[in-house]
Amino acid sequence: EIVLTQSPGTLSLSPGERATLSCRASQSISSSLAWYQQKPGQAPRLLIYGASSRATGIPDRFSGSGSGTDFTLTISRLEPEDFAVYYCQQYGTSPPTFGPGTHVDIK
Amino acid sequence: EVQLVESGGGLVQPGGSLRLSCAASGFTFSSYSMNWVRQAPGKGLEWVSYISSSSNTIYYADSVKGRFTISRDNAKNSLYLQMNSLRAEDTAVYYCARPRYCGGGSCNFDYWGQGTLVAVSS
Repeated sequence: EIVLTQSPGTLSLSPGERATLSCRASQSISSSLAWYQQKPGQAPRLLIYGASSRATGIPDRFSGSGSGTDFTLTISRLEPEDFAVYYCQQYGTSPPTFGPGTHVDIK
Repeated sequence: EVQLVESGGGLVQPGGSLRLSCAASGFTFSSYSMNWVRQAPGKGLEWVSYISSSSNTIYYADSVKGRFTISRDNAKNSLYLQMNSLRAEDTAVYYCARPRYCGGGSCNFDYWGQGTLVAVSS
């Protein structure tokens, strides 16, 4: 099973700042990586798939990059609604696995 | 509009059983594989099970293998999860999730239900 590690665990930033979230896989997954946003009491929302493709309706301030084992989600300028937990997920091999999440909270 | 609505959660004693349902609408259910994903309180996401569109292929996480059974009824646009021999560590919100893409039974998910809470406790 592929293990995903996310860093940092918590990111404290102010609205308007840039957020950089990392996800590392225990073995290569090519570009089979997705990012999700989850707010309290809500289901996860798909942001990025294929490491860098934005899902339908996702604002262009969200971008993804990377391949192999190292991936990054960047939020160019944080909006108030972006403070949430972000999970990476690999679907390159079965079983699909999720990272432990990065909490992005207001500084 | 794609909608996934889970039901059937509740409080159950250890060793007990529960059957979850997921009612799908707004898309051609019979054309999609489907999955269950769970989230323990305050914890991260854990994939539970996968079923192909025709029910020919089924996968389970090791943590539930032999205890949980996934099934679907394409005529009723419904997905199910029969959970037996429940343990405290099965306590979680259970989501049904529609894949955007699957490769070899491993998927990413573009639509999720609102989830149903299963609590296993005496």
